[in-house]
Amino acid sequence: QSVLTQPPSVSAAPGQMVTIACSGATFNIGHNPVSWYQQLPETPPKLLIYDNDRRPSGIPDRFSGSKSGTSVTLAITGLQTGDEADYYCGCWDNSLSVVVFGGGTKLTVL
Amino acid sequence: EVLLVESGGGLVQPGGSLTLSCAASGFTFSDYWMAWVRQAPGKGLEWLANIRQDGDQKYYLASVKGRFTISRDNAQNSLHLQMSSLRAEDTAVYYCVRKGLPDNWGHGILVSVSP
Repeated sequence: QSVLTQPPSVSAAPGQMVTIACSGATFNIGHNPVSWYQQLPETPPKLLIYDNDRRPSGIPDRFSGSKSGTSVTLAITGLQTGDEADYYCGCWDNSLSVVVFGGGTKLTVL
Repeated sequence: EVLLVESGGGLVQPGGSLTLSCAASGFTFSDYWMAWVRQAPGKGLEWLANIRQDGDQKYYLASVKGRFTISRDNAQNSLHLQMSSLRAEDTAVYYCVRKGLPDNWGHGILVSVSP
């Protein structure tokens, strides 16, 4: 069982918006920046969002992150079939002194 | 361009040892914390260990502490993971990553622990 909690799956139609939630605790999300990763099939994860809401260069603004208390949310607008992937949240945990990840959310674009 | 290339994976018997290496290029290696993350077949991401720029501070996941050792060679721009007392549940793709909370990932290398 993962320290950070994500829904196992989400789905939406092309062009629509989807959100993926990631919940944790005070000693991880509550006090530390969160990153989001996209893992396309058979490829390594790729950084999508860092510091809760910042996009690396090259990541389209269809991807956005937000944080409230001990939860973060990844939003994807204008869904494309190429967005079908697994999405993971991650951050440092002050109690465990390790980086913890969510269990991953599989996005299906119907 | 940041490039991280893992090597040293393969098939090993339970109880055996293996050392993974990661060749880094495209950035100043000695400026960054580095880490290892693994992913068991069909499973999620599991962070294993990280190491400070000077190699003097390290953190480990509890389940691998004492069995795995992370190290680095800043002169060679390389990161290593020595693994011992390997178990079937250590079977996974192992990723070399830049920074403790990763911002760049290697392509990954498969380690299979099986009789």
